Amino acid sequence: ETGVTQTPRHLVMGMTNKKSLKCEQHLGHNAMYWYKQSAKKPLELMFVYSLEERVENNSVPSRFSPECPNSSHLFLHLHTLQPEDSALYLCASSPNSLQATEAFFGQGTRLTVV
Amino acid sequence: LAKTTQPISMDSYEGQEVNITCSHNNIATNDYITWYQQFPSQGPRFIIQGYKTKVTNEVASLFIPADRKSSTLSLPRVSLSDTAVYYCLVGVRPARQLTFGSGTQLTVLP
Repeated sequence: ETGVTQTPRHLVMGMTNKKSLKCEQHLGHNAMYWYKQSAKKPLELMFVYSLEERVENNSVPSRFSPECPNSSHLFLHLHTLQPEDSALYLCASSPNSLQATEAFFGQGTRLTVV
Repeated sequence: LAKTTQPISMDSYEGQEVNITCSHNNIATNDYITWYQQFPSQGPRFIIQGYKTKVTNEVASLFIPADRKSSTLSLPRVSLSDTAVYYCLVGVRPARQLTFGSGTQLTVLP
């Protein structure tokens, strides 16, 4: 248990569906991250939020839309996904986005797009 | 952004000490070196972090030579449950530091 909770753990969705992934942390951290991990590929950093403001967006397609309503919660809204978007989506948090610190990861959401 | 190079895979036997070396020739002055462990279908887990010389905690040691162009993660007396992918990351800001490469697949054999 890392203190970062992701829901749901598994999600199957059609290409025309809209769904959301949720991440929650009560560690008092100010920075939160979304990662994508496809099969046999390195983790890809998708979004970084620091104090609810998005500070990095690594050219992620617009069908992925992040939302950070407060420093404890992070969402990833999904719409019109493609089968190649099937992957493990991981959320992480760290005390802040400026200093080298330990990051805590959630267990991930296994997403399958059919 | 400092690029890291690690072996793709390593095999070891239970009870042995395992050393995984990471090269980071263009490490910047302010960069830290951090290692994470990842099991299949789980998020990475922080193992250890250092800036120079040697750092030790309850699970591993991290050796960093004076030029800081490489680092070695040392796992004492590994067990089957240490089979995982180990990532070396270099940076100062988490948004940069938390950029993962391909990692090293460590397989511990009985």
